[in-house]
Amino acid sequence: EDQVTQSPEALRLQEGESSSLNCSYTVSGLRGLFWYRQDPGKGPEFLFTLYSAGEEKEKERLKATLTKKESFLHITAPKPEDSATYLCAVQASGTYKYIFGTGTRLKVLA
Amino acid sequence: DVKVTQSSRYLVKRTGEKVFLECVQDMDHENMFWYRQDPGLGLRLIYFSYDVKMKEKGDIPEGYSVSREKKERFSLILESASTNQTSMYLCASRPGQGAGEQFFGPGTRLTVL
Repeated sequence: EDQVTQSPEALRLQEGESSSLNCSYTVSGLRGLFWYRQDPGKGPEFLFTLYSAGEEKEKERLKATLTKKESFLHITAPKPEDSATYLCAVQASGTYKYIFGTGTRLKVLA
Repeated sequence: DVKVTQSSRYLVKRTGEKVFLECVQDMDHENMFWYRQDPGLGLRLIYFSYDVKMKEKGDIPEGYSVSREKKERFSLILESASTNQTSMYLCASRPGQGAGEQFFGPGTRLTVL
């Protein structure tokens, strides 16, 4: 069964304290892996798409990486405005469906 | 930028009412999706539409129906609202077949009393 697991469920960081969020997946052929940011009461905002192992994408303080079993979202020197829930999703080959993890709630303290 | 809009941010309805949630996208996307999001359960797919008048059931279609008469508009209908349909409803769209990211609307927080 295709599955996505995100860890940790929640993470509290001091401003400037770098860390990583994990997204482990099992899927029968990966078509794409997606990272989203979601603020409370709002819809997910697209961040990155990764297609193959070894691929990396960067945007400001965020960097996403991909292996054959997991993806990491690295947050370098976070700021309070980076506080949000980060969602990971995968799309398997031959399907239109996206499987979402339950997210990591990140809180960055000033 | 892709824009996906949803008709209401907050909605309160009574048990048994028929409820319509509207979603509009302005980027000529072929595929549109309806999800519900509940704490601890993540996003679950209700229905998917890959073209005008075309639809497929997702993982939890029971109690819901959809309509896509125009390419830009995808409606979710709760035939007879129940309290267990209280949730955050999210609409998404993407360009077409193959791999690619989805773009989400702001969500509708529905409460059924």
